[in-house]
Amino acid sequence: RKEVEQDPGPFNVPEGATVAFNCTYSNSASQSFFWYRQDCRKEPKLLMSVYSSGNEDGRFTAQLNRASQYISLLIRDSKLSDSATYLCVVNTNAGKSTFGDGTTLTVKP
Amino acid sequence: DVKVTQSSRYLVKRTGEKVFLECVQDMDHENMFWYRQDPGLGLRLIYFSYDVKMKEKGDIPEGYSVSREKKERFSLILESASTNQTSMYLCASTRHIEGQPQHFGDGTRLSIL
Repeated sequence: RKEVEQDPGPFNVPEGATVAFNCTYSNSASQSFFWYRQDCRKEPKLLMSVYSSGNEDGRFTAQLNRASQYISLLIRDSKLSDSATYLCVVNTNAGKSTFGDGTTLTVKP
Repeated sequence: DVKVTQSSRYLVKRTGEKVFLECVQDMDHENMFWYRQDPGLGLRLIYFSYDVKMKEKGDIPEGYSVSREKKERFSLILESASTNQTSMYLCASTRHIEGQPQHFGDGTRLSIL
């Protein structure tokens, strides 16, 4: 079993849709959590950190459930420019990250 | 803004060559990492370093070595390149503090012929 598992995807949604990605992690000692975005043939870029109380950044909302070892990312009012692969990332030790394999999102006009 | 710079965006080498991939970060980060990314396999950690002259094996170190002589620079070495090392190589850095995300360079797309 992988340490970090994500929805298999791909997700194909129309513009304006709301879409949610889920991620589970196996190590209960995990301490910090992130969502990254990766465009085709580019490097991963930090989208947002995920806090225990949940956090929002514009159209993006991240949630963490430590008891269930579950992280989510909600994108509201999807834009064409949101098309990318979204990576769930979990840190167990300071600075060392485990990456999920990613979920691909395509937003269509 | 954190800047992680990889020496080449695209590189073509021949089987058996010794290949050097360089990575420099400008934010005085303690931790540096080398990954490779292949379709369907996600990001796989090759080596990482928590400090100058320190190195630790990641998940797939075979066929690679690293060097960290200065804090800002982390080099990945393919001792004798093989075709199965054709991949996208990504360098990242971060502070050695809990809660810090990794910052990536642009990546090097390496082809071994």
